[in-house]
Order: sequence, then structure tokens, then C-alpha cells
Amino acid sequence: EVQLVESGGGLVQPGGSLRLSCSASGFTLNNYYMHWVRQAPGKGLVWVSRINNDGFSTTYADYVQGRMTISRDNAKNTLYLQMNSLTAEDTAVYYCARENMLDSFDIWGQGTMVTVSS
Amino acid sequence: VLTQSPDTVSLSPGERATLSCRASPSVNSNYLAWYQQKPGQAPRLLIYGASNRATGIPDRFSGSGSGTDFTLIISRLEPEDFAVYYCQQYGSSFGGGTKVEIK
Repeated sequence: EVQLVESGGGLVQPGGSLRLSCSASGFTLNNYYMHWVRQAPGKGLVWVSRINNDGFSTTYADYVQGRMTISRDNAKNTLYLQMNSLTAEDTAVYYCARENMLDSFDIWGQGTMVTVSS
Repeated sequence: VLTQSPDTVSLSPGERATLSCRASPSVNSNYLAWYQQKPGQAPRLLIYGASNRATGIPDRFSGSGSGTDFTLIISRLEPEDFAVYYCQQYGSSFGGGTKVEIK
């Protein structure tokens, strides 16, 4: 079965850091661009970041402002999101997603919740 | 920027739903996608390239449009279709979503 499983979410204090992981199974990760998308409670979907197949090209939403780093380990079939200097506004469910046909996201993980609070 | 309308639409099962997504500036229609999201679930890809149904998506879902105006139509609403729908451009920014609720 083709699937993505996120982990690493939790409660973190303002200014803290967290690293999210996204484990892929049922397909070869290095054949695909991958993304992170987030969703604050009760709000819409917001794109966060993208990484190309080999990990040497990355793109971020403007609001990330150098605080987040997307990376991948194709040998481990795993995608990562390192998040630093977290604020309450970063509180959200974080989804990883696979880019496929014409830049659409055909496979999504179940999401991992990140709560930034003191 | 993608602007979806209406924010919420109230319809009965069996009715037709017409959802709008307006892009500014215009979008290459090859790169416009639609997703469905139900409470507590991850989004699901419905339409890619503005008009192509994703694998397993019923033919009551159809997408159309080009340039700045795109439309998702659900021809006859089934109970499982009541959800929030998002458009997306170029594998990045999303619209604000349209909630299809039961009337």
C-alpha cells in the first residue's frame, strides 16, 4: 500500500524547535518531489515547503522566513521538516504530501499536530 | 492568489454543487488542482490539470476552466460529498476553501 506516515509532532514552548518526519512506504521516495502543508485549527490548507528528488533544490513559503528546513534521506525513504524559533502561529497539523501529476498532491499523510504554547 | 466562492453552500443530497476558484494573476490550467477534505482527515486529490479526475474519483465530480476562472461541479451530491473543497495552483498556494454543507 502506498502511504505516508508523519511523526514528531507535540507540544513545544515558544522559541523552541521540533523536527518532523514523514516515512514513505509502497513507493520509491526518490522518484518524487515532496511537500509539507500545514493547517491551523479550524483554518484552511497552507503550503509550507517543497524539495526536489535529490534534495538539492528547496522552496519555502515567505512566512517561513528561514526558520524551517526541509530535507530528505532517500535511502531511508524519509522526508523531514526542521522547525526552529517556533511561535504560537505555527500551531497546526502538518501534512507531508507527494507531488505527482502536473504538480498535484496525490498522496497525503495523516498529519502530525504541532502545538506551540507555554 | 486563489479566491474561492462561496465560503459555504447549503445543498440537499441529489442537488448540483458549483464551486468557483478565481486566480489572480491567471494560472496555467495544467497546474490547477482540487481537493476534498472531511473533518479529521487528510485532503484527497479530486482533480488535477483543471479537468482530469484522479484515480478512483467518481464521474459526478468534474472540473473546468482556464486562465483566471475555474469551476468544480458535483453533479448529484451524495451524503459522503459534504466536505470542504480547496483549489490549488502550481503545487503550492491553496484557496481558502468552500464548505459544502447539508441543507
